[in-house]
Amino acid sequence: QVQLQESGPGLVKPSETLSLTCTVSGYSIGSGYFWGWIRQPPGKGLEWIGSISHSGSSYYNPSLKSRVTISLDTSKNYFSLKVTSVAAADTAMYYCARDFESYGSGSFNFWGQGTLVTVSS
Amino acid sequence: QSVLTQPPSASGTPGQRVTISCSGSSSNIGSNYVYWYQQLPGTAPKLLIYRNDQRPSGVPDRFSGSRSGTSASLAISGLRSEDEADYYCAAWDDSLSEVFGGGTKLTVL
Repeated sequence: QVQLQESGPGLVKPSETLSLTCTVSGYSIGSGYFWGWIRQPPGKGLEWIGSISHSGSSYYNPSLKSRVTISLDTSKNYFSLKVTSVAAADTAMYYCARDFESYGSGSFNFWGQGTLVTVSS
Repeated sequence: QSVLTQPPSASGTPGQRVTISCSGSSSNIGSNYVYWYQQLPGTAPKLLIYRNDQRPSGVPDRFSGSRSGTSASLAISGLRSEDEADYYCAAWDDSLSEVFGGGTKLTVL
């Protein structure tokens, strides 16, 4: 069974960089599929941040593209998210997930439990 | 403001059939697959419907999806108390982004 677990600081100061890691077990991320990040501000809806393929090709939500980087480390079986110049609007539950379709549909069927990141001084 | 439009709330009584709508445009629902998620309180979303009307294994056949033109809908028949959750539609948009609806909170009366 594929399992994902987010980790990283729960509190980030405004203008700094948010960094999260998603550790995957039960599947080798270099073997296939796309891997994504989705966030959800408290009490609000879902927002796709971006995805990365098993070979390292990444694509991002145009509204966040200038501030977001997703990378993966196949040797350690995890992928990461960085969001620069954060502001209060970046406060959200951050989820990592695996794409349902091998070609990268943008739909996700395996999710981490989520990690809450608060942006505050 | 979400790219896909859903009603903020829906409700029904046990055993009833309820439908949740999702409206988009030619660049998303009109030309790409629609997906539906169920999010129970305090948990991560769960994929409920993929490719407009397909159910992943383990999803009861009480849940069904459909798409017509630039709109889609999720139907839940034989409503149960455990169906009380937030439901989100999603689709790929030709602007190179996955887009979501704002979510519909389903209450089982």
